[in-house]
Amino acid sequence: DAEITQSPRHKITETGRQVTLACHQTWNHNNMFWYRQDLGHGLRLIHYSYGVQDTNKGEVSDGYSVSRSNTEDLPLTLESAASSQTSVYFCASSDRGLADTQYFGPGTRLTVL
Amino acid sequence: AQSVTQLDSHVSVSEGTPVLLRCNYSSSYSPSLFWYVQHPNKGLQLLLKYTSAATLVKGINGFEAEFKKSETSFHLTKPSAHMSDAAEYFCVVMRGNDMRFGAGTRLTVKP
Repeated sequence: DAEITQSPRHKITETGRQVTLACHQTWNHNNMFWYRQDLGHGLRLIHYSYGVQDTNKGEVSDGYSVSRSNTEDLPLTLESAASSQTSVYFCASSDRGLADTQYFGPGTRLTVL
Repeated sequence: AQSVTQLDSHVSVSEGTPVLLRCNYSSSYSPSLFWYVQHPNKGLQLLLKYTSAATLVKGINGFEAEFKKSETSFHLTKPSAHMSDAAEYFCVVMRGNDMRFGAGTRLTVKP
């Protein structure tokens, strides 16, 4: 069965460190998305990609970067982790863009101390 | 800019009774609207979506929602709650590449 996986599931890091969260999908979807989920805010879009070599900024992109070198993977990098980036991060993919059904990974809980 | 307000942060119902989760949106144009569900420690799953076709939208697991432009609402309903419906529900408004989630409504189902 096709799936979308995230690793690690839990991560604790220190302020100022670079952190990369992995996202891998076997749906063969062109579109991939990264969100963060915080209490009282629902999900907020960080970055998205509509295909290989394509990346776009979302609502809350400051301090984050992504790169898309193949269809299956969209890693999210925190260049210099800050305590405000403590959150749960979700990766998702879809066949035809944001408005299409998105399939979500299980999430990564990141704590920045 | 678009926004969405979920009017209740927590709703509690008894099993077998109707469910109503309320959502109001703000958008300058005709938006697309969605409801997603998140079960504990899981990713989100699409329940249903409205994209300017029929105003009454039927989704999975017996849920449906009605788009009311005059009231800028997109409330989610289900005639009879099941224990497995206990989860967090998110209303989402979208226009172009701007997608905004509500803060969520936690649904509790009592036996």
